[in-house]
Amino acid sequence: KQEVTQIPAALSVPEGENLVLNCSFTDSAIYNLQWFRQDPGKGLTSLLLIQSSQREQTSGRLNASLDKSSGRSTLYIAASQPGDSATYLCAVIGLPGGGGADGLTFGKGTHLIIQP
Amino acid sequence: AAGVIQSPRHLIKEKRETATLKCYPIPRHDTVYWYQQGPGQDPQFLISFYEKMQSDKGSIPDRFSAQQFSDYHSELNMSSLELGDSALYFCASSLGSGWGEKLFFGSGTQLSVL
Repeated sequence: KQEVTQIPAALSVPEGENLVLNCSFTDSAIYNLQWFRQDPGKGLTSLLLIQSSQREQTSGRLNASLDKSSGRSTLYIAASQPGDSATYLCAVIGLPGGGGADGLTFGKGTHLIIQP
Repeated sequence: AAGVIQSPRHLIKEKRETATLKCYPIPRHDTVYWYQQGPGQDPQFLISFYEKMQSDKGSIPDRFSAQQFSDYHSELNMSSLELGDSALYFCASSLGSGWGEKLFFGSGTQLSVL
């Protein structure tokens, strides 16, 4: 059964810092990995999608890397801003026909606070 | 750009009542997923549909059922509601069967069972 772990569970940093959020997964047989942002009581916003054959994806100040063999992904946020405050969720989707639950398997998220 | 629309945004029900949640995917998206997120929990996959047929099933209780209609919108029907069903219910859509495709989520329906 796929398990996704995110470290740290919470993070509070001053505005302007660069930071790294970590995600690990137990079953490396994934099809892709997706990072989401969730604001309190709101839906999930997709940030970056990395296919299993890719090593990284970039969008603006965000960069996500994937090391499938070691079961790890990182989300790098450059020059953090107060508007980046949210919960960041990592999720993986397994290979078609593979064992375990279908659909996305989520980590419990990293609650990020950027102090002005 | 059009996003995934869910209705209602909030729903209050009493135990043993029924509830119906609706999801309207992004235009041209043919795959719909339902997720349940309890307070302080990560989202849990319930069920998905591709081209109006159930494609995958997760931890959906037998008291719940869902379907996807000809216009690709989906409804999650919940019966004999229990206190533990109180959660945020998300719908997501994608173009294609979902494998390798980015999922786009709606804002969710907050269900409170009293």
